[in-house]
Amino acid sequence: GQQVMQIPQYQHVQEGEDFTTYCNSSTTLSNIQWYKQRPGGHPVFLIQLVKSGEVKKQKRLTFQFGEAKKNSSLHITATQTTDVGTYFCAGRFLSARQLTFGSGTQLTVLP
Amino acid sequence: EAGVTQFPSHSVIEKGQTVTLRCDPISGHDNLYWYRRVMGKEIKFLLHFVKESKQDESGMPNNRFLAERTGGTYSTLKVQPAELEDSGVYFCASSQWGHSRETQYFGPGTRLLVL
Repeated sequence: GQQVMQIPQYQHVQEGEDFTTYCNSSTTLSNIQWYKQRPGGHPVFLIQLVKSGEVKKQKRLTFQFGEAKKNSSLHITATQTTDVGTYFCAGRFLSARQLTFGSGTQLTVLP
Repeated sequence: EAGVTQFPSHSVIEKGQTVTLRCDPISGHDNLYWYRRVMGKEIKFLLHFVKESKQDESGMPNNRFLAERTGGTYSTLKVQPAELEDSGVYFCASSQWGHSRETQYFGPGTRLLVL
């Protein structure tokens, strides 16, 4: 079936280091969304990427959508302790309304 | 504007019992989705309502799960009888139009533990 793979599953970084999580889809996506879930919380929408090769920035966060619309990445520059949480990508396959989530990357930032 | 709300926040039941989860979407959102995350795995789609109609229930794991959305407002998800593997976090999400570029807003989830 259609899947979205996300790596790494866990990432520990020292505060100030960079962090990147990657998602790959088995087939072309219509769009991809990124969510952040704090410990004990629920997924909170961060951003949506729609266009091939799209790059969007939110302060220290940079989101990319691949040219083939099958992969995406989230990069955080100079992590802070407030960045702690699990980051999920969620793709929409062509003609689908539901989201297909990656397994998430749990980020720990050590002070 | 109130967000998506879910009740209860936590539920602990014994195997074989019945549990009913409730989701209140954002007012005016016709599209309501149920997802669940079990045992630290990925969040998986269960089903999608458009108003009171089930648009897609391809993710429902088996016939022990029954979802309803009478009147097209809030939705319930009943698990009967509950099994150990049903433990996890059940999320509800809603969106206004349901088109492919639309953001889905998630509720806080119900944490279900089946003993």
